[in-house]
Amino acid sequence: AQTIHQWPVAEIKAVGSPLSLGCTIKGKSSPNLYWYWQATGGTLQQLFYSITVGQVESVVQLNLSASRPKDDQFILSTEKLLLSHSGFYLCAWSLWDSEVFFGKGTRLTVV
Amino acid sequence: GDSVTQTEGPVTLSEGTSLTVNCSYETKQYPTLFWYVQYPGEGPQLLFKVPKANEKGSNRGFEATYNKEATSFHLQKASVQESDSAVYYCALSDQGGSNAKLTFGKGTKLSVKS
Repeated sequence: AQTIHQWPVAEIKAVGSPLSLGCTIKGKSSPNLYWYWQATGGTLQQLFYSITVGQVESVVQLNLSASRPKDDQFILSTEKLLLSHSGFYLCAWSLWDSEVFFGKGTRLTVV
Repeated sequence: GDSVTQTEGPVTLSEGTSLTVNCSYETKQYPTLFWYVQYPGEGPQLLFKVPKANEKGSNRGFEATYNKEATSFHLQKASVQESDSAVYYCALSDQGGSNAKLTFGKGTKLSVKS
């Protein structure tokens, strides 16, 4: 069975500090991968998607970047956090033209 | 662009009563429609999807019919349980293929009291 693991579960970071969030998908070969962001009490917004290793497309500009160094790994990062980056970050996967499955998320608090 | 509008919450119901969460959408394409459920501290879980107009999706006693003429996809359940307490999101995807980009509604928080 496929599993999606996100790390860390939660982070508290200072404004201006760097950030790296990750996820790993096991049990599926060459999935499409996504990063979504959810403001506290808000809806979900897609940030990035990737259909293959080394290729990432940005959907929304939020001073964040993403990379896919391996087929089963997706990384979200920034060199300088802003207060507005606080929220819930969700990694997700799908196969071609199918439903999207989400991980358990990372809660980020920027102070 | 695409948009999804759903019942504003929170919604509070007693166990055994019926639920309707309204969802309407706007898109220029032919979308697949979804209902997701999110429990506190977790990612959204797919409740069900309906890819075709005039078809019904269902799971765990929840159901919704894809009404293309009315551009609606209302979620219903005949008898809610305390365990149904969660946030429900209506969503659409019209891009398929390489980017299954989901456009979500704002979510409806449901609390069921025993």
